[in-house]
Formats: sequence, C-alpha cells, structure tokens
Amino acid sequence: DVKVTQSSRYLVKRTGEKVFLECVQDMDHENMFWYRQDPGLGLRLIYFSYDVKMKEKGDIPEGYSVSREKKERFSLILESASTNQTSMYLCASRRLGNYEQYFGPGTRLTVT
Amino acid sequence: AQTVTQSQPEMSVQEAETVTLSCTYDTSESDYYLFWYKQPPSRQMILVIRQEAYKQQNATENRFSVNFQKAAKSFSLKISDSQLGDAAMYFCAYRIYNTDKLIFGTGTRLQVFP
Repeated sequence: DVKVTQSSRYLVKRTGEKVFLECVQDMDHENMFWYRQDPGLGLRLIYFSYDVKMKEKGDIPEGYSVSREKKERFSLILESASTNQTSMYLCASRRLGNYEQYFGPGTRLTVT
Repeated sequence: AQTVTQSQPEMSVQEAETVTLSCTYDTSESDYYLFWYKQPPSRQMILVIRQEAYKQQNATENRFSVNFQKAAKSFSLKISDSQLGDAAMYFCAYRIYNTDKLIFGTGTRLQVFP
C-alpha cells in the first residue's frame, strides 16, 4: 500500500512565523504535489515536483516555497505566515506514467 | 484555461437508493483523463473511478459508474445501492494526458440517510 504521511494533522501558528509542512511518501514516486483545500474552492495546486531538486509553480504559488532534497520528502514552506493562509494543506504523490495520485491525510493550519 | 465545474454543493440520498453527482469541464484538448475522488470526513482522499477520454465505454467500479459525454464535456458519477460509508466530499478532476497537473472541481458533499 502506498503511504503518504504529513508531519502534523493540526497546526496553529502566529502571523509572521516561518512554517514548514512536511510530506513523506514511501513508494519511490517521482511526482509530488502540494494542494490547498478551501470550502467552495476545491483543491488548488500550490507547487509540484517531478524530481529531486526540481519544482514547478502551480496555480497559487504566491507566499509559498517548496523544497525537495530527497525523493521521498517534499516540504512546503510559508516564509511569513499570514491569516489568509489558514487552510487545509494536502500532499500527494504519483508514480511517473501512472494515472493515480495518492493523498496524505492533510494538515489543517490555522494562522492567528 | 481548463476548468471543472460541480454545480451541486450538497446532495443527499437514502441508503440503498441511487444518486448521481454532476460534473462538467471545459477544455480544448482531445486526450485527457477524468477522475472522481472521495474524501470521507477526517480521512484521506482516495480515487473512486477514472475515465480516459479516448474510451467510449463508461467506466464502472462495483457500485460506482460514470456517464461520460465527451461532446457535452460532462462526466457524472452514479452511486448505486448507496451505503452509509459513501457519505463524503466528492471531487471531480481533470488531467491532460502526459501532464502532471490535476484540476479539481469545488466538490459535492454527499449525505447518506438510513
């Protein structure tokens, strides 16, 4: 079974803090993704990576950065958290050439 | 730009009955995939069913089937014999063939009543 894990289920941070969200997958998948999920907006792609040290901007990259130093780990970084970044963050991975993305359980981030 | 529209924010169904969730999409591409994902409350999102655009036959997975109308750009999900465990958010998604990016709709919350 593919397993995608995220470092925290719930996180509360203060405005201006630097926030790291970690995602790890155990199936040697090439592609990894970070989404943001908000009510009424569905899932929106923030960044994705198709290889170590490679990254591509998604639809809403502003205010975020990512890091992929190892194949199994993809980190989402909020350099200076703001209240409008309060959201559910979902990580996903996919084997190159396959159709299915596998999702992590999500991190519900609250910025106060 | 490709878009995916789910016009039903909420739906409800009685246990053992059938329900259909709607999805439309906009694209100028001819080769693509369509997906339905399920997100149960506080649980991970999982793939329910997929459809390749080049296939005319509608995909089926047990109690889940789709009605894929390529010309109309419509991709509805039918759940037969609904069960309490089917209660979840359902997302329709689209991906151009040979690309990495999934585009999601806004979701439909399905409630199942006993």
